[in-house]
Amino acid sequence: KNQVEQSPQSLIILEGKNCTLQCNYTVSPFSNLRWYKQDTGRGPVSLTIMTFSENTKSNGRYTATLDADTKQSSLHITASQLSDSASYICVVSFTGGGNKLTFGTGTQLKVEL
Amino acid sequence: DTGVSQDPRHKITKRGQNVTFRCDPISEHNRLYWYRQTLGQGPEFLTYFQNEAQLEKSRLLSDRFSAERPKGSFSTLEIQRTEQGDSAMYLCASSLTSGRADTGELFFGEGSRLTVL
Repeated sequence: KNQVEQSPQSLIILEGKNCTLQCNYTVSPFSNLRWYKQDTGRGPVSLTIMTFSENTKSNGRYTATLDADTKQSSLHITASQLSDSASYICVVSFTGGGNKLTFGTGTQLKVEL
Repeated sequence: DTGVSQDPRHKITKRGQNVTFRCDPISEHNRLYWYRQTLGQGPEFLTYFQNEAQLEKSRLLSDRFSAERPKGSFSTLEIQRTEQGDSAMYLCASSLTSGRADTGELFFGEGSRLTVL
């Protein structure tokens, strides 16, 4: 069964600090991996999309890495801001056409003063 | 605003009533998805359309749920005889995808939150 597991489930950090969120997946055959940010009560917003040939991608203070061999991805947030408080969801797509998106349950990040 | 829009944003209804949600995708997008999300969980796939054709339905989509995309543009999701367990956020997303690969970036709407009393 295709699965996406994220850790930690929740995280509290101080403003200005860095943090790293983890995503492990068992999806196969792999197509691409996406990270989304979801503010409370809002729809998810795409941060990065990586195919198996990419091992890092940045979007401002967000940097995602991918190790397709170990089936692991991480999302690193640099110099956190209060507005980074949100749920971060890892989504993995596998090949074969049709809907093949498997969502993780997300990491709830809270940035405090 | 050229993003994905959903209506209504919030709906409170009594158990047993029918509700309908509407989604207007980004205009040139050929794929439209419906997801359900409960508190603390990631979105769960319900169904998706390629243009007007409904290509896949999750087993989560019971007989009380029906979705349409009659002209390949907007879509509706109807829930009949609502139950308290239907309370959730219903998210719509759209993408522009070619061929069979699902590599198009997914754009989500703000969701329709349903509360069944």
